[in-house]
Amino acid sequence: KQEVTQIPAALSVPEGENLVLNCSFTDSAIYNLQWFRQDPGKGLTSLLLIQSSQREQTSGRLNASLDKSSGRSTLYIAASQPGDSATYLCVVSSGSYIPTFGRGTSLIVHP
Amino acid sequence: GAVVSQHPSWVICKSGTSVKIECRSLDFQATTMFWYRQFPKQSLMLMATSNEGSKATYEQGVEKDKFLINHASLTLSTLTVTSAHPEDSSFYICSASRTSGGDEQYFGPGTRLTVT
Repeated sequence: KQEVTQIPAALSVPEGENLVLNCSFTDSAIYNLQWFRQDPGKGLTSLLLIQSSQREQTSGRLNASLDKSSGRSTLYIAASQPGDSATYLCVVSSGSYIPTFGRGTSLIVHP
Repeated sequence: GAVVSQHPSWVICKSGTSVKIECRSLDFQATTMFWYRQFPKQSLMLMATSNEGSKATYEQGVEKDKFLINHASLTLSTLTVTSAHPEDSSFYICSASRTSGGDEQYFGPGTRLTVT
C-alpha cells in the first residue's frame, strides 16, 4: 500500500525566503505525482504535475522535482510571498491509479 | 480548460435527511471521478472511485449504502449522503480525470455539508 509523507508539517517564514517542501512515498511504481495548494475552507488548486518519466516541472516561482528511485519529490518555492500561505499537498497516483495524499505542509509567509 | 464544478457549494440539512452533491466536468469528459472528504485540519480521505457506467469502488471503511455514488455520464457524478447524521458533517471534494490511467486530476471547489 502506497504511503505518502510530507515534511515539514508546518512552516513559518519571513517574506522573500526560498523554500523547500518535501514529499516521500513508499512505492516507487507511480504513474504521476501532483502538487496542490489548498486555502482554508477551499478546494484544491493544482500547481504542478510530474509524470513518472519526468524529473521536474516548473511554473513561475515553483519548481517540483521527482526522484522515483528514492521515492522523493520536492517543491521549491522561490522568493516566497504572503500570498503563498496555504497548505501544500502532495498526491501520488500509483497502483490501480488510486491517488494517495500526504497530510500536507501548512505554510505561513509573514510580511 | 479542465474545469470541475460542484453543486451545492454549501448545504445544511437536518439529521435523517438525504443530500445529493453533484460533480461536473465542464469542458472535458471524465472517465474517472474520485470523491473525498476532509475533516477540519486533516488531509483528504479518498472515499470512492467511480468510472463512468460502472459501480463505484469504495475504500475500506466507507459505507456504500450510506454514500451512494452514481457516475451516469462522462461529465457528471453524484454523491448522495443518505440518512445524514451530524458526524457526516464534512467538506466533500470531487476530482475528475480524463482517463482511468493515472491521468492528471482536476478538483472541484468542494461542498461544505453541515448536518444539524
